[in-house]
Amino acid sequence: DTGVSQNPRHKITKRGQNVTFRCDPISEHNRLYWYRQTLGQGPEFLTYFQNEAQLEKSRLLSDRFSAERPKGSFSTLEIQRTEQGDSAMYLCAFGDNEQFFGPGTRLTVL
Amino acid sequence: SQKIEQNSEALNIQEGKTATLTCNYTNYSPAYLQWYRQDPGRGPVFLLLIRENEKEKRKERLKVTFDTTLKQSLFHITASQPADSATYLCALDPDSNYQLIWGAGTKLIIKP
Repeated sequence: DTGVSQNPRHKITKRGQNVTFRCDPISEHNRLYWYRQTLGQGPEFLTYFQNEAQLEKSRLLSDRFSAERPKGSFSTLEIQRTEQGDSAMYLCAFGDNEQFFGPGTRLTVL
Repeated sequence: SQKIEQNSEALNIQEGKTATLTCNYTNYSPAYLQWYRQDPGRGPVFLLLIRENEKEKRKERLKVTFDTTLKQSLFHITASQPADSATYLCALDPDSNYQLIWGAGTKLIIKP
């Protein structure tokens, strides 16, 4: 157990709907990361926070994606106007060189 | 283009034998490389990190080598067990800014 929880674990939505995922580390960590992973691929970096500041965003992160970490503890990832191509596992992690992952939220867009 | 390659085909190994997985990369000069284990439906689990000035690193039945000239890392599991069956991912941080770039992983199957 890495001490990271993600909710919901599964989300099924219709195309065009908005979804929000949450990541909670058990203890506070400076750096928090979001990744996306599709079947048969490794995770792809989306964005990361140092405390409450969002420091980097991947070019993969379109304007429909937004992430927040309001108090430097938990984080949310919102996808607006979902598309079928957004179907994936969304993972959050914390750490520095070594990263510790939550169980992920599996998103299915119909 | 910059990329990380791992064997895409599943690796089948008899229990008790040594499993060896390969990670090759191009156009990077990473300060370190990492290996993770991932079980179906779960997030990756950190296993080992090896730095560019380290040739080899061990942890229990695991051993990782790092050849910066060949741009290759090898991951070994000795005395393999069915419980070692999983997908193993390598990752590196090319710009030393904690943004990991990942291989697609190799699925390892240990047969009893």
